[in-house]
Amino acid sequence: DVKVTQSSRYLVKRTGEKVFLECVQDMDHENMFWYRQDPGLGLRLIYFSYDVKMKEKGDIPEGYSVSREKKERFSLILESASTNQTSMYLCASREGGKETQYFGPGTRLLVL
Amino acid sequence: GESVGLHLPTLSVQEGDNSIINCAYSNSASDYFIWYKQESGKGPQFIIDIRSNMDKRQGQRVTVLLNKTVKHLSLQIAATQPGDSAVYFCAEMSGSARQLTFGSGTQLTVLP
Repeated sequence: DVKVTQSSRYLVKRTGEKVFLECVQDMDHENMFWYRQDPGLGLRLIYFSYDVKMKEKGDIPEGYSVSREKKERFSLILESASTNQTSMYLCASREGGKETQYFGPGTRLLVL
Repeated sequence: GESVGLHLPTLSVQEGDNSIINCAYSNSASDYFIWYKQESGKGPQFIIDIRSNMDKRQGQRVTVLLNKTVKHLSLQIAATQPGDSAVYFCAEMSGSARQLTFGSGTQLTVLP
């Protein structure tokens, strides 16, 4: 079974803090994704990566950056957290050439 | 832009009955569809997928039906159980970028 893990289930941060969300997958998947999920808005793609050191902007990249130094790990960075970044953050991975994405458990971030 | 929507935001069914969750999509070029189940506080869990060259696909207690003529997707759950209570959402994929577009979800509640 595919396993995608996220470093924290819940995080509380203050406005202006730098926040790191970590995601690790154990299936040697090439593709990894970061989404945020908000009530009524569904899942929105922030950033994705097709390979190590590669990154592509999704639909809502503003205020975020990412890092993929190793194939199994994809990090989402909030350079200066703001209250409108309070959300559920979901990481997903996908094998190259396949369509099915597998999600992690999510990190619920609260920015005060 | 293209979007994936759901006919009903909530659905309540009696335990043991069959459930049908519907999804309308608007991008006729979509060639892959997937259903996820998301329990409260957890990440989305893959249920079943279907390609556009198929009309029906069955899994364990679940069936996905695809009607390309009216751009409609449905998820049928047989003998619904309390553990099936969750939000179910569909997603579609099209184009060379192979990104998923997600619907907002239907809350399924199983009544005793």
